Amino acid sequence: GQNIDQPTEMTATEGAIVQINCTYQTSGFNGLFWYQQHAGEAPTFLSYNVLDGLEEKGRFSSFLSRSKGYSYLLLKELQMKDSASYLCAVRDSNYQLIWGAGTKLIIKP
Amino acid sequence: DAMVIQNPRYQVTQFGKPVTLSCSQTLNHNVMYWYQQKSSQAPKLLFHYYDKDFNNEADTPDNFQSRRPNTSFCFLDIRSPGLGDAAMYLCATSRDVGDSSYEQYFGPGTRLTVT
Repeated sequence: GQNIDQPTEMTATEGAIVQINCTYQTSGFNGLFWYQQHAGEAPTFLSYNVLDGLEEKGRFSSFLSRSKGYSYLLLKELQMKDSASYLCAVRDSNYQLIWGAGTKLIIKP
Repeated sequence: DAMVIQNPRYQVTQFGKPVTLSCSQTLNHNVMYWYQQKSSQAPKLLFHYYDKDFNNEADTPDNFQSRRPNTSFCFLDIRSPGLGDAAMYLCATSRDVGDSSYEQYFGPGTRLTVT
């Protein structure tokens, strides 16, 4: 079967750095997405990786290793508004998105 | 601004009473999706349309139906809602499915309560 694994919950301090990991086993691979979802709201797109390496976008970076079936989302200079769930999703060989359950990130002052 | 709109944001229906959720988009995207998301769970794809081609997920219950009368609009019909159907229903669009870089754009969701 297809599977995406992420930690259920993480806690970090305002101003710090946090890394959210995602491992996947899917039928084929056509890209990996990270989405942010605030409580009660829709997911919003953060990043896309299809080749190995690091993609940087302001305070957020995303890393991919296809050989390890592994990605992480790195958030720097954490702000209170970063408190949200972060969902990892992989596009499989049929171009379907396989979603993880998300990591709830709690930011403390 | 181009966007995905869902109405209503909150819907309360009675057990067994049919309900329709609506979604519209101004992005002119080819693909529209309906997801069900329960608390602290991954979004679960119910179906998607590529233009007028309807694609049903194998495990989507027959109780759920969908219509896409034109590019801009898509509807989710729940014929006989049960208590287990209470969830957030998310509509999303994407430009295409053949290019893996195309992200999905989500509407704000409709939170369905079944009493």
